Amino acid sequence: GQQLNQSPQSMFIQEGEDVSMNCTSSSIFNTWLWYKQDPGEGPVLLIALYKAGELTSNGRLTAQFGITRKDSFLNISASIPSDVGIYFCAGQLAGAGSYQLTFGKGTKLSVIP
Amino acid sequence: GAGVSQTPSNKVTEKGKYVELRCDPISGHTALYWYRQSLGQGPEFLIYFQGTGAADDSGLPNDRFFAVRPEGSVSTLKIQRTERGDSAVYLCASSLDGAGDNEQFFGPGTRLTVL
Repeated sequence: GQQLNQSPQSMFIQEGEDVSMNCTSSSIFNTWLWYKQDPGEGPVLLIALYKAGELTSNGRLTAQFGITRKDSFLNISASIPSDVGIYFCAGQLAGAGSYQLTFGKGTKLSVIP
Repeated sequence: GAGVSQTPSNKVTEKGKYVELRCDPISGHTALYWYRQSLGQGPEFLIYFQGTGAADDSGLPNDRFFAVRPEGSVSTLKIQRTERGDSAVYLCASSLDGAGDNEQFFGPGTRLTVL
């Protein structure tokens, strides 16, 4: 099935550094979502974006819904060790009675204390 | 807690066998989703239930895969004649209803290994 183009695939950063990751799609979505997945767990929602151009923050996390509706980015400021995990973007095109999510392949984040 | 639960957490089976994977959604959630996550990949949509009915089964890879939700709560994903390529983590999610702005809450998944 389709997966979104998410980059980078992995990142190694020092604690306290800022992180940026992005996601692009060949098709438009009307909702963009960012999830974090820890080993052995399901993804947990971090931020949801519902409008093109929207910029939303959740603590140290900031995400934007691209104006073309085909891309989104996630920034994490002042990283801490518990930020370690795999981050996934997901797009949703609600309509025709389905609300399935299309995910990226993930960005694996490692934080060096 | 009152989150989405999935059983078993791990399932090892032999090629050609039949397996059933169970999902207990959050109480009161009418929408239920199944996704499959292969190693190193993001989850891929399989099927979506609204109540008892499968509203979208476009992600099921072939007719060996089938899912039911007879009473609008618990759902079972059934895989016949398993193949090694079916090995993956099967994730279930539920949301309050199928509206686009309702968060999908994921369970921990069932790791299926087909030998």
